[in-house]
Amino acid sequence: DAGVTQSPTHLIKTRGQQVTLRCSPKSGHDTVSWYQQALGQGPQFIFQYYEEEERQRGNFPDRFSGHQFPNYSSELNVNALLLGDSALYLCASSSRQFGSPLHFGNGTRLTVT
Amino acid sequence: KQEVTQIPAALSVPEGENLVLNCSFTDSAIYNLQWFRQDPGKGLTSLLLIQSSQREQTSGRLNASLDKSSGRSTLYIAASQPGDSATYLCAAPTNTGNQFYFGTGTSLTVIP
Repeated sequence: DAGVTQSPTHLIKTRGQQVTLRCSPKSGHDTVSWYQQALGQGPQFIFQYYEEEERQRGNFPDRFSGHQFPNYSSELNVNALLLGDSALYLCASSSRQFGSPLHFGNGTRLTVT
Repeated sequence: KQEVTQIPAALSVPEGENLVLNCSFTDSAIYNLQWFRQDPGKGLTSLLLIQSSQREQTSGRLNASLDKSSGRSTLYIAASQPGDSATYLCAAPTNTGNQFYFGTGTSLTVIP
């Protein structure tokens, strides 16, 4: 039973560039959430997708966008990268069942230079 | 907005000691709370999920409790081992369940 998988594991980009991160949810899960974790901090909610639509969004600018595909996998896109976007980006999947737990992938470490 | 606080920020104990990690939250209208473990540079591993109807949840040497009225949860680790060294995070959801708020974690070091 495959857990949550994320790609790539590491990425180095230059300010102003654009980046796409990918996530495949745990088998049986249809909901994907994205979190940003800065060094020494707890994860911060970016947004959540289910039924291929963004359902809730955290306090992140429009430079952060996403997509969910019919197979429930998801992408996180960040445009016009800033140095402050350097972080660990975590994908979490869950079922739609009320109160279901989050399952996380190993994350993508993004470094913006 | 839910605010989650974890105390202490760091903890160092000798192997074999029992320990308690604390998590407090401001909005008691939660329907569950989840504890995670994070190893350096890695993702989060789910340890325990406590539903609001429960007061405790146990898995092996781990026991988590939840007191909604006081806005507190604790994670008890029995007979700590060096392999328990990691950062432990708690997370409480919004009442819609879509967004989880995390504390900044407790960094645990178990000394052999």
